[in-house]
Amino acid sequence: NAGVMQNPRHLVRRRGQEARLRCSPMKGHSHVYWYRQLPEEGLKFMVYLQKENIIDESGMPKERFSAEFPKEGPSILRIQQVVRGDSAAYFCASSPRQGTWSTEAFFGQGTRLTVV
Amino acid sequence: GESVGLHLPTLSVQEGDNSIINCAYSNSASDYFIWYKQESGKGPQFIIDIRSNMDKRQGQRVTVLLNKTVKHLSLQIAATQPGDSAVYFCAENIMSNTGKLIFGQGTTLQVKP
Repeated sequence: NAGVMQNPRHLVRRRGQEARLRCSPMKGHSHVYWYRQLPEEGLKFMVYLQKENIIDESGMPKERFSAEFPKEGPSILRIQQVVRGDSAAYFCASSPRQGTWSTEAFFGQGTRLTVV
Repeated sequence: GESVGLHLPTLSVQEGDNSIINCAYSNSASDYFIWYKQESGKGPQFIIDIRSNMDKRQGQRVTVLLNKTVKHLSLQIAATQPGDSAVYFCAENIMSNTGKLIFGQGTTLQVKP
């Protein structure tokens, strides 16, 4: 059973381009959380999704950011018209149930987005 | 060695010593807490957790202490090893909420051989 897979691991985009970050949860996990980590800072919650539903997007910027978790395929975090301030590491975590962490939820290795 | 989390973001200890990493959490309604370890270039890795109805929990070489009165959490690592060098984050959660974790800023632990 592979862990949480995120790709790409590194992504470079020019200002104004779109960035698409993918997260494949662990097998059997239908809950995905996205976090953003700026250099030398902690992880900031962005959005929580279940299959085909956005449960909590209280941490998502109002513009340019969107997330989805379709019935089939990975969860996608999409950033339109990227700006330098979007440069960060983006992590997703998956779990089998809402609010289950401990040894049942796992983080991916992250996607490091650099906007030039 | 002992750190105060947000105020002393780097803790340097000698190999074999015990380490204490502190965290002040923000929400008095939080009822579940986790410590994560993050190595350079990797995602957070679960270390130990504790529910608000407990004040102490022990794992292998690690102990978490919870003081709800002052909203303080600490992670004690016994006989610190070079492999313990990483950034350590505390995270809090309100179980009745959507389950999202709120992370603290983190403390870098450096272990000197």
